[in-house]
Amino acid sequence: AQSVTQLGSHVSVSEGALVLLRCNYSSSVPPYLFWYVQYPNQGLQLLLKYTSAATLVKGINGFEAEFKKSETSFHLTKPSAHMSDAAEYFCAVSEDFGNEKLTFGTGTRLTIIP
Amino acid sequence: NAGVTQTPKFQVLKTGQSMTLQCAQDMNHEYMSWYRQDPGMGLRLIHYSVGAGITDQGEVPNGYNVSRSTTEDFPLRLLSAAPSQTSVYFCASRPKIAGGRHEQFFGPGTRLTVL
Repeated sequence: AQSVTQLGSHVSVSEGALVLLRCNYSSSVPPYLFWYVQYPNQGLQLLLKYTSAATLVKGINGFEAEFKKSETSFHLTKPSAHMSDAAEYFCAVSEDFGNEKLTFGTGTRLTIIP
Repeated sequence: NAGVTQTPKFQVLKTGQSMTLQCAQDMNHEYMSWYRQDPGMGLRLIHYSVGAGITDQGEVPNGYNVSRSTTEDFPLRLLSAAPSQTSVYFCASRPKIAGGRHEQFFGPGTRLTVL
């Protein structure tokens, strides 16, 4: 069964500093991986996704993530944090036809320190 | 396109009451799903549907019913509300043709409190 582990339920970084949010997955078949962002009192919005093309995936708002099969990881990074990045971030995994359900991690709340 | 819409935005119920959370999408997506979001637990799948007339259980289906009579609508019914069902509920949809590689589109959520 597929699963996702997000290390760190809360992460704080200073404005302008590197953002690194960690995600490790477990899947018996090649996975599809997603990062979603949730701003306060809103629904989830897709940041980026990995679907077996390039291992380095660029998303919206300057975020990117690298798929590392050997480490079963899909960490999310942004070189320079902005105050508007404060939100909750969810990593999620799904598989191909036959097991298409999306499984989420428990989320990481990102706080930006001015 | 309105995307995925959910009503109501907020709801307070008493234990034992029933209600239906509405979800609609105008993107002609075959795949629709319901999640609940609880602090520290991420989003957990309640029920999903791969097309009109077809539904299946997710990770936490107990206490909830669904039906899918049209492609557009996927209501979630609470038969007898319990305090443990206090949560934020999200509906999502995606095209079926791309399978699990396609992202899901989420509605704005319904915040439910059961007293």
